[in-house]
Amino acid sequence: RKEVEQDPGPFNVPEGATVAFNCTYSNSASQSFFWYRQDCRKEPKLLMSVYSSGNEDGRFTAQLNRASQYISLLIRDSKLSDSATYLCVVNDGANNLFFGTGTRLTVIP
Amino acid sequence: NAGVTQTPKFQVLKTGQSMTLQCAQDMNHEYMSWYRQDPGMGLRLIHYSVGAGITDQGEVPNGYNVSRSTTEDFPLRLLSAAPSQTSVYFCASSYLGLAGLKTQYFGPGTRLLVL
Repeated sequence: RKEVEQDPGPFNVPEGATVAFNCTYSNSASQSFFWYRQDCRKEPKLLMSVYSSGNEDGRFTAQLNRASQYISLLIRDSKLSDSATYLCVVNDGANNLFFGTGTRLTVIP
Repeated sequence: NAGVTQTPKFQVLKTGQSMTLQCAQDMNHEYMSWYRQDPGMGLRLIHYSVGAGITDQGEVPNGYNVSRSTTEDFPLRLLSAAPSQTSVYFCASSYLGLAGLKTQYFGPGTRLLVL
């Protein structure tokens, strides 16, 4: 079983739409959680950390459900510039980061 | 700050050749790591280091060596290249926090093709 599992998509949504991505992780001892964004042929960059109480950064909202071992990312009012692959990332509390395979989003004009 | 730099950007090797991928960071991060990214597999940790003189294996260490003689540099050596090592390699660095790793800063990647 993979440490982190994501729906690979692709998700094709019109501009202005709301889209949600989900991610599950297998290690209940995981300590910290992140969403990274990766543009085509570029390196991953941190989008936001995910906190137990949920957190928001502009149009982006992240949620964590420790009981279900589930992380989500909601993007409101999608922009063309949001087109990218979104990586769910989990830290096991030691020195290991586990990456999901990514969910590809394309925002259509 | 240059952040995390990697060289080369592209490399073609023949099976059996050896080479070193260079990685450097100027943020004084304790933690440095190497990942490979393959289609459908996500990023997988090869080796990591929590400080100069300390290295450890990640998920897929076979065929690779690392060393950390300074805080800034963390080279990855391919001992005898194989076609299965064709991939995109990313170096990353971060601070270490009490509750685990903090934000990872990635280099631009090295695209390696082994024939």
